[in-house]
Amino acid sequence: EVQLLESGGALVQPGGSLRLSCAASGFTFRSYAMSWVRQAPGKGLEWVSTISSNSDTTYYADSVKGRFTISRDNSKNTLYLQMNSLRAEDTAVYYCANIWAGALDHWGQGTLVTVSS
Amino acid sequence: EIVLTQSPGTLSLSPGERATLSCRASQSVSSSYLAWYQQKPGQAPRLLIYGASSRATGIPDRFSGSGSGTDFTLTISRLGPEDFAVYYCQQYGTSRLTFGGGTKVDIK
Repeated sequence: EVQLLESGGALVQPGGSLRLSCAASGFTFRSYAMSWVRQAPGKGLEWVSTISSNSDTTYYADSVKGRFTISRDNSKNTLYLQMNSLRAEDTAVYYCANIWAGALDHWGQGTLVTVSS
Repeated sequence: EIVLTQSPGTLSLSPGERATLSCRASQSVSSSYLAWYQQKPGQAPRLLIYGASSRATGIPDRFSGSGSGTDFTLTISRLGPEDFAVYYCQQYGTSRLTFGGGTKVDIK
């Protein structure tokens, strides 16, 4: 069974940093590109970032470019999102998902990031 | 950036009725990279349709997708009680993903 388990969400002050993790199991993690998607409270889905299967390519939404860094450790089957210079508008549930056929095939349950003083 | 516009914003229907949801793109989208998701309150989204018309694993055949170019449709042939949820379309172009704003299907 495919499982994606996010962790690392917390309450953080504006300007602070946080690192999210996504532990994958049940599939060949190293074979798939992975993405982070977020959802602000009561709002729709927003793509955040994507990383290729071997980490050679990364992509970011304009809203997080220069502040967030996506990475992965294929030896640990884990995806990361380093978030710096956090803003109130980054408050959201953050989901990780694997990309297959251009779609987000499996999703984690999400982890809540709250940016507030 | 390709912008996806979903309509209507809310669709109020009764169980057993047919639901037709629209997703319009600001420029042509490869059909290979158009997907639909269902999201229920407090849950992660679930992939329903990929490649515009292929059902994901375990998705009932009452869900179908169609369309090409800039106009895509998700159809639920007969709404079951578990189908009342929010539905999102998504495209994957030049390795950047975008989502539509969602259509809420609620009980009339």
